[in-house]
Amino acid sequence: QSALTQPASVSGSPGQSITISCTGTSSDVGGYYLVSWYQKHPGKAPKLIIYEDYKRPSGVSNRFSGSKSGNTASLTISGLQAEDEADYYCCSYAGSTTWVFGGGTKLTVL
Amino acid sequence: QVQLQESGPRLVKPSQTLSLTCSVSGGSISSGGSYWSWIRQPAGKGLEWIGRVYTSGSTNYNPSLKSRVTISVDTSKNQFSLRLNSVTAADTAVYYCARAGRGFDYWGQGTLVTVSS
Repeated sequence: QSALTQPASVSGSPGQSITISCTGTSSDVGGYYLVSWYQKHPGKAPKLIIYEDYKRPSGVSNRFSGSKSGNTASLTISGLQAEDEADYYCCSYAGSTTWVFGGGTKLTVL
Repeated sequence: QVQLQESGPRLVKPSQTLSLTCSVSGGSISSGGSYWSWIRQPAGKGLEWIGRVYTSGSTNYNPSLKSRVTISVDTSKNQFSLRLNSVTAADTAVYYCARAGRGFDYWGQGTLVTVSS
């Protein structure tokens, strides 16, 4: 069970859109409709922003969207705002009742 | 609104056992068919899923930690617990408890546990 692969960092200007990728294998990301995404600000607990590949929990801005193609899931944030600056983690069911996270991506809003 | 709170020793000596408890409030730990998980984050690193427990007591663990981990539930106290044996400095991390519903939807604030003599 290896960690999912995310870019270490991405950046964008306010108002722009960015996409964070999360690459796994057919045994995790590509094998189930169970990818979730988390936003984490320093010193705070992670916050669920996407579950089951593309669904948004109640109260999460529709600026956040999830998608998947093959073994790669993606998180897109549109209309970037300063408050979006945070670390983002993907997570996938990995079979055999286990879960695996990505290494995390630091989003900088320029 | 479900709330989770971790508690336990913040400093553990190498080779000893790390023990943490997660207290759940705002709802019964037995309701909703949820699983309850432990997740950790070493300083400067990503999140790592440790394992989960169902209210029946059935458990699942990260294969990399399975030989050292025990997660249990006490429904009468609305709590679940983590025990990690034979700890080393590599186990120093912020430990989170979380509810595994549709994704990990509720989290505790996290507690830093340091392994040091």
